[in-house]
Amino acid sequence: AQSVAQPEDQVNVAEGNPLTVKCTYSVSGNPYLFWYVQYPNRGLQFLLKYITGDNLVKGSYGFEAEFNKSQTSFHLKKPSALVSDSALYFCAVRDVYNFNKFYFGSGTKLNVKP
Amino acid sequence: EAGVTQFPSHSVIEKGQTVTLRCDPISGHDNLYWYRRVMGKEIKFLLHFVKESKQDESGMPNNRFLAERTGGTYSTLKVQPAELEDSGVYFCASSLGFVGSPTGELFFGEGSRLTVL
Repeated sequence: AQSVAQPEDQVNVAEGNPLTVKCTYSVSGNPYLFWYVQYPNRGLQFLLKYITGDNLVKGSYGFEAEFNKSQTSFHLKKPSALVSDSALYFCAVRDVYNFNKFYFGSGTKLNVKP
Repeated sequence: EAGVTQFPSHSVIEKGQTVTLRCDPISGHDNLYWYRRVMGKEIKFLLHFVKESKQDESGMPNNRFLAERTGGTYSTLKVQPAELEDSGVYFCASSLGFVGSPTGELFFGEGSRLTVL
């Protein structure tokens, strides 16, 4: 079965500190991995994706994610958190057989305190 | 340009009633998807339209759910009769091309929150 897991319901970090939101995946074959963010009263917005190539992927708003095949992880990171980064973050993997189908995680609420 | 719009933003109904959710994709987007998030859990795929045709409806939970996309424009998702476990947030998304193609970026709506009492 294909899936992603986000082990933390909530992550709290102080503004200016680095942040990490964790994601692990389970998929046969090469994974196509995504991160989306949902700000309050907004739809999900695309942050970044990994398809192939460099294990460190850079995305919107200064976020990046590191693909680690041996640990089957795709953690989202940012060197210096902003209060405005507070939102709900979802990791997703694309179905290897049906490219138009995503499997999302349960989401991680990021709280950045001033 | 308008994004993906969903209506209503929140619906509260009683068990056994009927609810219809509507999604207007970005104009020109042939691909339309429905997802839902139940009880703060994973966002799960429901189905995928290409124009007016159902490409994949493998995620539809049961026959109480009916999705349509007449004319290949807006889509409706009807739940009849609604059960308590149908409560959640229903997201609609659209894309110009297939996911993975250069025009395959998914654009999501804000979601329709359904509460069944």
